[in-house]
Amino acid sequence: QVQLQESGPGLVKPSQTLSLTCSVSGGSISSGYYWSWIRQHPERGLEWIGYISYSGSTYSDPSLNRRLTMSIDTSKNQFSLKLSSVTAADTAVYYCARLFDHGGKVADYWGPGNLVTVSS
Amino acid sequence: DIQMTQSPSTLSASVGDRVTITCRASQTISMSLAWYQQKPGKAPKLLIYGASTLHSGVPSRFSGSGSGTEFTLTISSLQPDDFAVYYCQYYFTYWTFGQGTKVEIK
Repeated sequence: QVQLQESGPGLVKPSQTLSLTCSVSGGSISSGYYWSWIRQHPERGLEWIGYISYSGSTYSDPSLNRRLTMSIDTSKNQFSLKLSSVTAADTAVYYCARLFDHGGKVADYWGPGNLVTVSS
Repeated sequence: DIQMTQSPSTLSASVGDRVTITCRASQTISMSLAWYQQKPGKAPKLLIYGASTLHSGVPSRFSGSGSGTEFTLTISSLQPDDFAVYYCQYYFTYWTFGQGTKVEIK
């Protein structure tokens, strides 16, 4: 059974960079799936951030492109997200998830989520 | 961008009821439509993908249907464990989620 676990600070100051890591267990991150970040705002609901393949190819929401960096470390079975120049609007629960292909990318396994608050 | 609109926003029902949630797309979409269940403090859980394919381990009382711009999630006989928020999601080139439907106890 694949398990995902987000880790990272729960509090980030405005204008700084939010960094999160997702650790994958119970399966190899190089097994052909895609790996994704999704966030959930209290008021704005679920929002897709982007995904990365095991080879490092990325695809993300155009509105976040300028501030977003995703990476993958197959030796550690982890993938990561960095979101720069954060504001209060980036306050959300951040989830990582595994994606499989079915006419698009579907999230079948999710991490429990990591609440990130942007505040000074 | 394609917008996904769910109805109703809240649904009050009793155990044993048949429940239907509708998801409408702002334009015709492929069958790249998924449904998720989310309980408080937990991550969403995949129920259905491809509009009608039941994800592994999901009870058969859940079913999905639809095409074009209108899709439905049906729970044939509501169980106590089913009180939750349900989201539809379009997942083709990018993702768009509906705003959610809360199924609460009547």
